[in-house]
Amino acid sequence: DAGVTQSPTHLIKTRGQQVTLRCSPKSGHDTVSWYQQALGQGPQFIFQYYEEEERQRGNFPDRFSGHQFPNYSSELNVNALLLGDSALYLCASSLAESVIYGYTFGSGTRLTVV
Amino acid sequence: GNSVTQMEGPVTLSEEAFLTINCTYTATGYPSLFWYVQYPGEGLQLLLKATKADDKGSNKGFEATYRKETTSFHLEKGSVQVSDSAVYFCALTTYNTDKLIFGTGTRLQVFP
Repeated sequence: DAGVTQSPTHLIKTRGQQVTLRCSPKSGHDTVSWYQQALGQGPQFIFQYYEEEERQRGNFPDRFSGHQFPNYSSELNVNALLLGDSALYLCASSLAESVIYGYTFGSGTRLTVV
Repeated sequence: GNSVTQMEGPVTLSEEAFLTINCTYTATGYPSLFWYVQYPGEGLQLLLKATKADDKGSNKGFEATYRKETTSFHLEKGSVQVSDSAVYFCALTTYNTDKLIFGTGTRLQVFP
């Protein structure tokens, strides 16, 4: 049973560029959440998608946007990259209304902005 | 607002030692509580959870009890192994929001 798949695993971008990260949820899951984990910190919630709509959003600027496709996969887009956007970006999938059973996380995309 | 506070690491132990990693929380309503583990170079794995007061979550020899009176969810293991070396995150979610709120993580290093 495939878990959550993220691509790419590593990425290096220049300040001001734009980046797109991709996520395929665990089979049977319909909700995708994105988290940013800075070095040495706990993950911070960016936003969550369900039924192709952004359902919740954390305290992140509009430069961070996302999308969910009919097959439940998702993309995270970041525009006008800043050095401070360097982090591990984690995708997590779950079943709507069943988050108390826990999310399944992917291995993440390591983004480095230079 | 909701938050999680974990003891700072690193926690350094010898193999077979007893482990405690402290976690306290602040939340409105009745949160569900989780421990996640992150091995080097990997994403987060759910270790255990508890969804109501006095529940005990357990997995792979790890345990944590949801203590409402002390707003705590401390992680314990009676005998750690070198393979337990990882970063451990305490987290919560509440009924009215599906997002997880994490602590800053505690690095555990176990030496033979």
